[in-house]
Amino acid sequence: TQLLEQSPQFLSIQEGENLTVYCNSSSVFSSLQWYRQEPGEGPVLLVTVVTGGEVKKLKRLTFQFGDARKDSSLHITAAQPGDTGLYLCAGAPNAGNMLTFGGGTRLMVKP
Amino acid sequence: EPEVTQTPSHQVTQMGQEVILRCVPISNHLYFYWYRQILGQKVEFLVSFYNNEISEKSEIFDDQFSVERPDGSNFTLKIRSTKLEDSAMYFCASSGQGALNQPQHFGDGTRLSIL
Repeated sequence: TQLLEQSPQFLSIQEGENLTVYCNSSSVFSSLQWYRQEPGEGPVLLVTVVTGGEVKKLKRLTFQFGDARKDSSLHITAAQPGDTGLYLCAGAPNAGNMLTFGGGTRLMVKP
Repeated sequence: EPEVTQTPSHQVTQMGQEVILRCVPISNHLYFYWYRQILGQKVEFLVSFYNNEISEKSEIFDDQFSVERPDGSNFTLKIRSTKLEDSAMYFCASSGQGALNQPQHFGDGTRLSIL
């Protein structure tokens, strides 16, 4: 069974600060997807990373896939209150499509 | 932007009753999924469906569960005899062609409450 551990579980920061969320596993994933989930809604896809060492940027968000494809990070620069939400990582195995989700990081950005 | 839609948004059912959750995946997608999220827990995979048959299922997806694509647009999850522990958010997702590494797009879920 593949497991994904996300850290931290909770993060409360001031507007303008930087933060990093980590997603770690002992298993190799063929790809890793990052989602953001608002209360009462489904996960909304932010990015998919596929290649070991890959870095993708989405405005102030930077996503990195580890060289060994076992871990990933999400870095937010100059966080804003609009970034507040639940961030989820989800890994796809080398064979098949079932996503394994991390436990999520609940981010609060205070003005 | 095309999206996955799910109905109903909230379903309340007596224990032991059958329930059908409905999903309309993104129209040109070929792979369909059901996940569930029990309150306070991780999102868990239930089943994936391709070419009119189940391609993968988890241990959670036992004989009480079934999926169907009754027509060209709907994808349903049926729970035959609901239990209290089936109470959860159920999310439908779909992905495009060339399944491996294709991102999965999720609906807003159905909150199932078993009394």
